[in-house]
Amino acid sequence: DAGITQSPRHKVTETGTPVTLRCHQTENHRYMYWYRQDPGHGLRLIHYSYGVKDTDKGEVSDGYSVSRSKTEDFLLTLESATSSQTSVYFCAISLNWQGENTEAFFGQGTRLTVV
Amino acid sequence: QKEVEQDPGPLSVPEGAIVSLNCTYSNSAFQYFMWYRQYSRKGPELLMYTYSSGNKEDGRFTAQVDKSSKYISLFIRDSQPSDSATYLCAVSGNEKLTFGTGTRLTIIP
Repeated sequence: DAGITQSPRHKVTETGTPVTLRCHQTENHRYMYWYRQDPGHGLRLIHYSYGVKDTDKGEVSDGYSVSRSKTEDFLLTLESATSSQTSVYFCAISLNWQGENTEAFFGQGTRLTVV
Repeated sequence: QKEVEQDPGPLSVPEGAIVSLNCTYSNSAFQYFMWYRQYSRKGPELLMYTYSSGNKEDGRFTAQVDKSSKYISLFIRDSQPSDSATYLCAVSGNEKLTFGTGTRLTIIP
């Protein structure tokens, strides 16, 4: 298994509270991603990072922010959690070769419930 | 139009059958194509990846890319109950990986 650890694995939180999910890698890959997975929607990109302090938005970034202060850590913050953010969140890492991102490796996921 | 379209299924086939899973994509600039397998309550795991057009074989699995029709396929030969999972196709472009919605496959013993 690729060295990717997500924490926490499960979390229940109340509407309106901030929540931070952590992704830690030991592979020294340049690219890191946060996806959410919902029935009928598949994996949707929230934010991604292409280096320390370099991040960009994905297709469903509203209500989320990210930070990457070290190569190995990528944090996802829900600024004020809403019930629509109840989902399974996956972190992924990938190499970039000749300008293309080759295969991505995923963490085990964080199951977040907002009540 | 979605960048990647995938039939969500579900798809049920008897053990030993050949399975064909398919996706279409919209951007002709995509060069890397991947298939992931995801078991229930687990993260997606990379099954195969191919670069540009052509076939790639790995045991019972064959990935096929036809860039002229923007069509990617995964074939599973001699399917086993352990192949029961959700299969997701993915394409790489613009620093991002875009996924299909996944096809849920069940192999019936």
